[in-house]
Amino acid sequence: GESVGLHLPTLSVQEGDNSIINCAYSNSASDYFIWYKQESGKGPQFIIDIRSNMDKRQGQRVTVLLNKTVKHLSLQIAATQPGDSAVYFCAENHRRALTFGSGTRLQVQP
Amino acid sequence: GAVVSQHPSWVICKSGTSVKIECRSLDFQATTMFWYRQFPKQSLMLMATSNEGSKATYEQGVEKDKFLINHASLTLSTLTVTSAHPEDSSFYICSAPEFREGTEAFFGQGTRLTVV
Repeated sequence: GESVGLHLPTLSVQEGDNSIINCAYSNSASDYFIWYKQESGKGPQFIIDIRSNMDKRQGQRVTVLLNKTVKHLSLQIAATQPGDSAVYFCAENHRRALTFGSGTRLQVQP
Repeated sequence: GAVVSQHPSWVICKSGTSVKIECRSLDFQATTMFWYRQFPKQSLMLMATSNEGSKATYEQGVEKDKFLINHASLTLSTLTVTSAHPEDSSFYICSAPEFREGTEAFFGQGTRLTVV
C-alpha cells in the first residue's frame, strides 16, 4: 500500500552542527507534507509544511526540501540545539487525516 | 496556532473497565477530529475519523464497538475504550485540522493509557 517512510531511525549530531532528516514517500499523488517534532510523552508539534508546487520552504532555523522526481522529503535544522532532541516525523496529508512515516530520533550531543 | 486540548494526560485502569478520553478544540470549531494510537517507539496510526453530527469512520482493523467515538459538538470529541485489556495500553492522540492557513493538523498532548 501507499506509505511514507524514513531512511534513518536515529541521527546523532553535535550541538551547533546542521541536521538533515530524510523521508521517502510512495504516493505520487501526495500534494502536501508536514514535518512534526514529538518529544517524549507529548503529542506531535507542527514544525513546517510544504506543498507539492514548491521545492523548498524555510522557517526559523528549519528548511524543508521536496524532490518530487524521487519522492523524497528532507528536513534541515540549522545550528542544532539540545532542545531539538526529539523524534521527527514526516506526514502526508490524505483525506484530511495524516499518514505518518516511521520517525527519526534526533540526538544532540553537547 | 490553534490549540487542541486532550484530557486526561494519563490514566491507569483495571482490565474490563472503560475509559473515556476527551479532545477539545479551544479556539476554533472542528467538524472533524482524528484519533491516533501510538505504541512505544512506533509511529502514529490513524484509528478513526470523528465527524460532528454523524457516525465516526474507522480504519480497517479497528473495532468500532470497542473504541466508541462521540462528536457531540463542534469543539468536543470523545474516545471511550470499552472493556479495556492490557493490549489496549498505548498513547492515544487526537488531532483537529485547522484550515485558516492550510490543512495542517493540530494535536492534543496525548493520553497515556495503562491497563493493569
